[in-house]
Amino acid sequence: DQQVKQNSPSLSVQEGRISILNCDYTNSMFDYFLWYKKYPAEGPTFLISISSIKDKNEDGRFTVFLNKSAKHLSLHIVPSQPGDSAVYFCAASSGGGADGLTFGKGTHLIIQP
Amino acid sequence: GAGVSQTPSNKVTEKGKYVELRCDPISGHTALYWYRQSLGQGPEFLIYFQGTGAADDSGLPNDRFFAVRPEGSVSTLKIQRTERGDSAVYLCASSRQLNSPLHFGNGTRLTVT
Repeated sequence: DQQVKQNSPSLSVQEGRISILNCDYTNSMFDYFLWYKKYPAEGPTFLISISSIKDKNEDGRFTVFLNKSAKHLSLHIVPSQPGDSAVYFCAASSGGGADGLTFGKGTHLIIQP
Repeated sequence: GAGVSQTPSNKVTEKGKYVELRCDPISGHTALYWYRQSLGQGPEFLIYFQGTGAADDSGLPNDRFFAVRPEGSVSTLKIQRTERGDSAVYLCASSRQLNSPLHFGNGTRLTVT
């Protein structure tokens, strides 16, 4: 049973536009959420996180929104750049920290010139 | 500075053999994690160390899998009597403390023939 779901296996966005990646979760005990980015043959790289006490966190071109009532979070990238092409994983944990993360299956973002 | 280092980067072994996968965490990081990523899936939690002790090994799939971290730094994931279903990328990650984002290595791609 997938506790963290990324329902779009891939997403294609034009360079300069906004990329929106979505993630849904089912476990109401999750209270800390993270996004990781992964290039081929490399390990995932931490991008941005959000605690359940917030509904928005921003870092440069990256913003994560959390809707606890809907158990939904999204990652916005604006403007999208060619180097953003990668697989993006949503992850969640309970207990307020990054231990024992549960990952989604990932969304492959393709930025088109 | 140096990131998380995993060796070997690739390992091919025959069914039934024993393998060891090594992880060198970032210096000073007390928490160390092992994940496994199968094709088309997100990383799946295996085990987590805080210092030398395994704080949570609930993700290990069965007793053929074992991990150690004898001096609180380098960790070795050991798999006995390998099966074809063990083929995956094994990822190691470390963090400065319990509630910090994880830093991943590039993984070891294990292929069991």
